Amino acid sequence: ETGVTQTPRHLVMGMTNKKSLKCEQHLGHNAMYWYKQSAKKPLELMFVYSLEERVENNSVPSRFSPECPNSSHLFLHLHTLQPEDSALYLCASSQGLAGEQFFGPGTRLTVL
Amino acid sequence: ELKVEQNPLFLSMQEGKNYTIYCNYSTTSDRLYWYRQDPGKSLESLFVLLSNGAVKQEGRLMASLDTKARLSTLHITAAVHDLSATYFCAVDMRDTGNQFYFGTGTSLTVIP
Repeated sequence: ETGVTQTPRHLVMGMTNKKSLKCEQHLGHNAMYWYKQSAKKPLELMFVYSLEERVENNSVPSRFSPECPNSSHLFLHLHTLQPEDSALYLCASSQGLAGEQFFGPGTRLTVL
Repeated sequence: ELKVEQNPLFLSMQEGKNYTIYCNYSTTSDRLYWYRQDPGKSLESLFVLLSNGAVKQEGRLMASLDTKARLSTLHITAAVHDLSATYFCAVDMRDTGNQFYFGTGTSLTVIP
């Protein structure tokens, strides 16, 4: 595997389900990001991790819970989501917080 | 909060024609990125502009940055169908403790 990978690529879940999105970077980077891309809106930064510590949390609802067990992996745990949470969730990584970001393919999430 | 505006939002152009996409932003920054996104796919980095007056070219695309005017342009020369995609600019404010701000995107369709 190369670059940034995300699984699953597509996810459909009910509002009462619990699921997790996974991101893995194979670039040796030390910072990782979660973004949300909704239709007709700019990409929104959700969380930033640097050296496995969370450094940014942009007022994201608590039904989204990130986890960064090591510098190569990032998870987004989902529970009790709403239909308006349906979006493309993109993971990115960079070397340092000022380095160029490289994006994964995204997970297309649909909440029914 | 930083605002990043792209113009136009939608662009339909014929093959062989030239056009420019504009990216205006509301505060001082000398780091700007351009990305391409194909439908259902992730973001592909096109250009990294790191100083006032920076100009970079790759194939039929050329990007420039004027930090005094807070403006970046993405110029398309002799468009071909393969350039059809959505193009995003992003202003990098991470060196001031802020985040990465994306524009709304320009959806480009090149008509044969």
